[in-house]
Amino acid sequence: EAGVAQSPRYKIIEKRQSVAFWCNPISGHATLYWYQQILGQGPKLLIQFQNNGVVDDSQLPKDRFSAERLKGVDSTLKIQPAKLEDSAVYLCASSSRGTGFYSEAFFGQGTRLTVV
Amino acid sequence: DAKTTQPNSMESNEEEPVHLPCNHSTISGTDYIHWYRQLPSQGPEYVIHGLTSNVNNRMASLAIAEDRKSSTLILHRATLRDAAVYYCILMGYGQNFVFGPGTRLSVLP
Repeated sequence: EAGVAQSPRYKIIEKRQSVAFWCNPISGHATLYWYQQILGQGPKLLIQFQNNGVVDDSQLPKDRFSAERLKGVDSTLKIQPAKLEDSAVYLCASSSRGTGFYSEAFFGQGTRLTVV
Repeated sequence: DAKTTQPNSMESNEEEPVHLPCNHSTISGTDYIHWYRQLPSQGPEYVIHGLTSNVNNRMASLAIAEDRKSSTLILHRATLRDAAVYYCILMGYGQNFVFGPGTRLSVLP
């Protein structure tokens, strides 16, 4: 079974530039998550999709972050404009969670973003 | 979201058992206890989960206190590959994974 694919693995941009991350979840997984992990901290949920609908985006800084999930499969996370404090690893995860609320989540390797 | 408390770091010798504690005194009756771990430069990976009874799988065992206010992840024989940050997470109906800082486990050869 192929895992969660993310690209790029690394990205360096200057502040005020824009950046986009891509995620391809495990085939058939209805739920997709984006997490932000700052160095030394646990991952923080940014947004959760169920199929192509947003379930939870309460911690997404909507003035600069946006995300979409195309046709309920792939997803992109965009930052525009980036700030220094956005430097982090951005993790995508998926699960088959539907009616079951304890489905295992599978994480990608993440994209390490450095804003200079 | 319910909170968990874990030690910041622990150390173990290779091939010895490791007991990673987690306190969750405010757990509700429907909260499942999940453990994930994060190897260096990797995303978190599932380890084990349980509700009331102790659980075993190929990776680890989960011992849950009778009052459910604490649990312990047990690695029966630590290897160098088990060096990681271990997260204890409570998850109830309709909730998402909320990660704390976890316990950084070092395994000494």
